[in-house]
Amino acid sequence: DARVTQTPRHKVTEMGQEVTMRCQPILGHNTVFWYRQTMMQGLELLAYFRNRAPLDDSGMPKDRFSAEMPDATLATLKIQPSEPRDSAVYFCASGLGQAFGYTFGSGTRLTVV
Amino acid sequence: KNQVEQSPQSLIILEGKNCTLQCNYTVSPFSNLRWYKQDTGRGPVSLTIMTFSENTKSNGRYTATLDADTKQSSLHITASQLSDSASYICVVSGIRQTGANNLFFGTGTRLTVIP
Repeated sequence: DARVTQTPRHKVTEMGQEVTMRCQPILGHNTVFWYRQTMMQGLELLAYFRNRAPLDDSGMPKDRFSAEMPDATLATLKIQPSEPRDSAVYFCASGLGQAFGYTFGSGTRLTVV
Repeated sequence: KNQVEQSPQSLIILEGKNCTLQCNYTVSPFSNLRWYKQDTGRGPVSLTIMTFSENTKSNGRYTATLDADTKQSSLHITASQLSDSASYICVVSGIRQTGANNLFFGTGTRLTVIP
C-alpha cells in the first residue's frame, strides 16, 4: 500500500531548539497538508501546498514556524525556536484534491521540555 | 465557537451493537463533509466524503448521512467490532471568498467497543 512517511516518529527537545519534521507524500499526490493535533484543540490545519506551491499557511504561527516543499517528494515543517506549547502530534497528509480524500502519515509526536 | 460540533464526546458500547455519532456544523458556504477514523497513535483514515447533493454514503459497516439543510451529519456503525474502538472525527470543508477551501474540524467522538 502507498503511504505517507513521516520522520521522526518521536522527538523530544529542549525549549529554544530548532525542530525539523519531514514528510514524504505518496508519489503522484499534488496536495500536501500539515496538521497539528492536541488533546485540547483536536486537529488544526497549519499549512497546505498544491503542486509544491504554498496555498495557505494562515493556521501557522509565522514567527516561529515555516513549511516548505523543496521537491515533490519532500515536505518539511520547521519550528525555530521551539516552545513547550508546541508539544503535539504533527501530521502530514497528501492527496489528489478534495474529491479524492487524503492519506495521513502516522505523525511526529513532538515534546518540548 | 467551533463551527463543527460532535457528540457525544465519548461512547462505550457492547460488541455487536449499533451506534450513531453526530456532527453539527455551521460552516457556510459548504463544500463537503468527511468522516475520519483515528486509531490511537495513528493518523486519521478517511471513511466517507459527501458533497452538498449527497444524503448518504456507505463504507462497509459505516454509513454516513448528511442533511445540508439542517447542517447535520451522522455516522452509523452497524454490528460494532472491537476494532471499531477509535476516535471519529468530522471535518467540514467550507469555501472562502477566494474560492479556496477552508477546513473545520470537530474534536471527535471517542468510541470504545467492549466484549
